[in-house]
Amino acid sequence: QKEVEQNSGPLSVPEGAIASLNCTYSDRGSQSFFWYRQYSGKSPELIMSIYSNGDKEDGRFTAQLNKASQYVSLLIRDSQPSDSATYLCAVVDQTGANNLFFGTGTRLTVIP
Amino acid sequence: DVKVTQSSRYLVKRTGEKVFLECVQDMDHENMFWYRQDPGLGLRLIYFSYDVKMKEKGDIPEGYSVSREKKERFSLILESASTNQTSMYLCASSLSFGRQPQYFGPGTRLTVL
Repeated sequence: QKEVEQNSGPLSVPEGAIASLNCTYSDRGSQSFFWYRQYSGKSPELIMSIYSNGDKEDGRFTAQLNKASQYVSLLIRDSQPSDSATYLCAVVDQTGANNLFFGTGTRLTVIP
Repeated sequence: DVKVTQSSRYLVKRTGEKVFLECVQDMDHENMFWYRQDPGLGLRLIYFSYDVKMKEKGDIPEGYSVSREKKERFSLILESASTNQTSMYLCASSLSFGRQPQYFGPGTRLTVL
């Protein structure tokens, strides 16, 4: 069974701080990774994708990938209360029709 | 812009009723998916489809069926609703080639009484 592991949290950070969200995955052959943000009662929204080792930056968000360690992370700089949500890590199943394996999510709270 | 819509945001049904949940995407995506999401259990894949009239079972297909008669539309059917099917139901779609993400609809909160 392929697994995606996330710390469920909750993770609390003060406004303006850096929030660091982590994810590990079991399938060494995985090539594509996504971060989704899900507000309470809403559906997941794609915020970042990363395919190569290293960092990818988009505004206040940075995704980091280390395939050797089977580790992907999301950094949120200058955290805002509006960033308070559950963040889901997703990994593409190489054997399926672009099926995704999801972690159970990390709940982030940004304290004003 | 990516657009996935679902027929209802909230739905209340009685035990034993037949329930239809519809999902439509306007992105010409080949793949479509149905998930349910429950607290503490995360997203669980019910069924998916990679082409018109094609369907594949996901992790928890029992008690559900699906229909895909047109590329843009994917329906989830609860033949005889039960209280343990009370959940948030999420539809998603994606392109079939390459390393593509899935895009989600707004979800349907189904309550079975």
